[in-house]
Amino acid sequence: NAGVMQNPRHLVRRRGQEARLRCSPMKGHSHVYWYRQLPEEGLKFMVYLQKENIIDESGMPKERFSAEFPKEGPSILRIQQVVRGDSAAYFCASSPDRKLSYGYTFGSGTRLTVV
Amino acid sequence: QQQVKQSPQSLIVQKGGISIINCAYENTAFDYFPWYQQFPGKGPALLIAIRPDVSEKKEGRFTISFNKSAKQFSLHIMDSQPGDSATYFCAATTAGGTSYGKLTFGQGTILTVHP
Repeated sequence: NAGVMQNPRHLVRRRGQEARLRCSPMKGHSHVYWYRQLPEEGLKFMVYLQKENIIDESGMPKERFSAEFPKEGPSILRIQQVVRGDSAAYFCASSPDRKLSYGYTFGSGTRLTVV
Repeated sequence: QQQVKQSPQSLIVQKGGISIINCAYENTAFDYFPWYQQFPGKGPALLIAIRPDVSEKKEGRFTISFNKSAKQFSLHIMDSQPGDSATYFCAATTAGGTSYGKLTFGQGTILTVHP
């Protein structure tokens, strides 16, 4: 089992460009969570998705950010018109079920740098 | 009310010593308290977790102490080793009922164990 795969590992974007971050959950996991980690801070919840459904997006900024988890393929976190303040590490976690369990596993993250 | 406050921000310990990291929470609905270990360039990995029906949980050199009335919990690392040098995050969530795996993290503690 390859674990939770996130790519790219590092992403550099100029202000105003779009950033697309991908998360492939562990095999058999249909629940995905996205978190953002600003420098020297803890992780902050952004969004929780199940296949084809957004369950909780209470941590997502209202503008420019969107997430999806299609029936086939990875979950995508999309940031439009990036600004310097979007520079952070973005982590996804996947889980085999709705409840928090020991199967809840984080990926290694995507480090986004906006220049 | 959703915050989890963690201290200290950084900690330096000699090899063989005891590392102690403290967390405090406000939301009395939290009923599951995991600790995560994060190495540079990696995602957080679950270290140990506790539910509030017990006051202490021990796994090897790692112990969680939990004080429900004070709404505080702490991680003790006995016989600290240089390989324990990492960032440690406490977290909290509600694990019962209709809840799901939305974690609220503390700010993190950078632990350095000197040989």
